[in-house]
Amino acid sequence: QKEVEQNSGPLSVPEGAIASLNCTYSDRGSQSFFWYRQYSGKSPELIMFIYSNGDKEDGRFTAQLNKASQYVSLLIRDSQPSDSATYLCAVNQAGTALIFGKGTTLSVSS
Amino acid sequence: NAGVMQNPRHLVRRRGQEARLRCSPMKGHSHVYWYRQLPEEGLKFMVYLQKENIIDESGMPKERFSAEFPKEGPSILRIQQVVRGDSAAYFCASSPPGLAPGSYEQYFGPGTRLTVT
Repeated sequence: QKEVEQNSGPLSVPEGAIASLNCTYSDRGSQSFFWYRQYSGKSPELIMFIYSNGDKEDGRFTAQLNKASQYVSLLIRDSQPSDSATYLCAVNQAGTALIFGKGTTLSVSS
Repeated sequence: NAGVMQNPRHLVRRRGQEARLRCSPMKGHSHVYWYRQLPEEGLKFMVYLQKENIIDESGMPKERFSAEFPKEGPSILRIQQVVRGDSAAYFCASSPPGLAPGSYEQYFGPGTRLTVT
């Protein structure tokens, strides 16, 4: 059974702080790793993807991947109240279905 | 460039009726995936299709559910004889063709919220 695990939260951070979201996965054959943001009642929005070990930065977001530890994380710098949402970690092999974690709820207080 | 389109956005059906959910992938995308999100649960894969082919239906319930992606027109997820437990948000995602790393991302449509009364 391929699984993706995330802490459900809520993770609460003050505005301007760094939010750190973590995810572990069970399938060593996973090749692609994704972070989606989902606001309540809305659809998932792709915010980051990473394929190689190390860090990948895009604006205020940094994804980190460690395949040996089967661990992927998302850092959000200078958190804003508009970042308050559920963050979904997903993994897959080439072109196959995404396996999602249940998501971590982030709350950024102003 | 239009994103993934789904309709209807909201669908109410009585128990025993049929539900038809439609999905048009992003322009240039040839892979379609359907996912279901039950209240308070995560997104679960249902089926993966390419034009005129079902590639992986390992997540589809064995009965009452079917999917197609015809040569012309949108992909359709069909649920026959709906029951209350089918009430959920159904999302369609699409990805571009090819196996290069950049083709792995899946982009989601707005979803169809199905309510069975």
